[in-house]
Amino acid sequence: AQSVTQPDIHITVSEGASLELRCNYSYGATPYLFWYVQSPGQGLQLLLKYFSGDTLVQGIKGFEAEFKRSQSSFNLRKPSVHWSDAAEYFCAVGADSWGKLQFGAGTQVVVTP
Amino acid sequence: NAGVMQNPRHLVRRRGQEARLRCSPMKGHSHVYWYRQLPEEGLKFMVYLQKENIIDESGMPKERFSAEFPKEGPSILRIQQVVRGDSAAYFCASSPRSDGNQPQHFGDGTRLSIL
Repeated sequence: AQSVTQPDIHITVSEGASLELRCNYSYGATPYLFWYVQSPGQGLQLLLKYFSGDTLVQGIKGFEAEFKRSQSSFNLRKPSVHWSDAAEYFCAVGADSWGKLQFGAGTQVVVTP
Repeated sequence: NAGVMQNPRHLVRRRGQEARLRCSPMKGHSHVYWYRQLPEEGLKFMVYLQKENIIDESGMPKERFSAEFPKEGPSILRIQQVVRGDSAAYFCASSPRSDGNQPQHFGDGTRLSIL
């Protein structure tokens, strides 16, 4: 069965510091992978996606993610965080050909001055 | 371009009442997905619909929950005889196709509270 694991429930980072959010997946084939961000009281906004090709993908708001098949990982990174990056981040895998998504439990990011 | 529209944003119901949640997909999108987010958890898939058809309802509870996406009008998620455990945020997402690689666009959700 497919699964998505985000090991870190909560991360605190200083403004201007780098950020890395971990995501591990279990999936039988080459997965479709996504990172979404959710601000309080809002819906989910797509940051970036990976389908195939270059394993380093660029997204919006200065985020990037790297697909590593050998590690079954799709970690999200940002070189320098801004206070507005405080939010909850969800990794998701396209769970079947219909497109339904399976989400990790999320990582809450707090940005300190 | 309007995004995915969900209403109401907040809904309060007493135990035993019915809850109706509405979702209008983005223009040009004919595929709708409903997800539920319980407190402190990620989103869980509930149901996938195309116009007038339920394609996958494997995530829907067997009782009290139903969904539709009529030819005209929004998609509706209906919860009958609500219980406290139904309190959650319900999100709708839409996409133009059902390919697994199509990003889904999410609405802002309906926060359902059961008294």
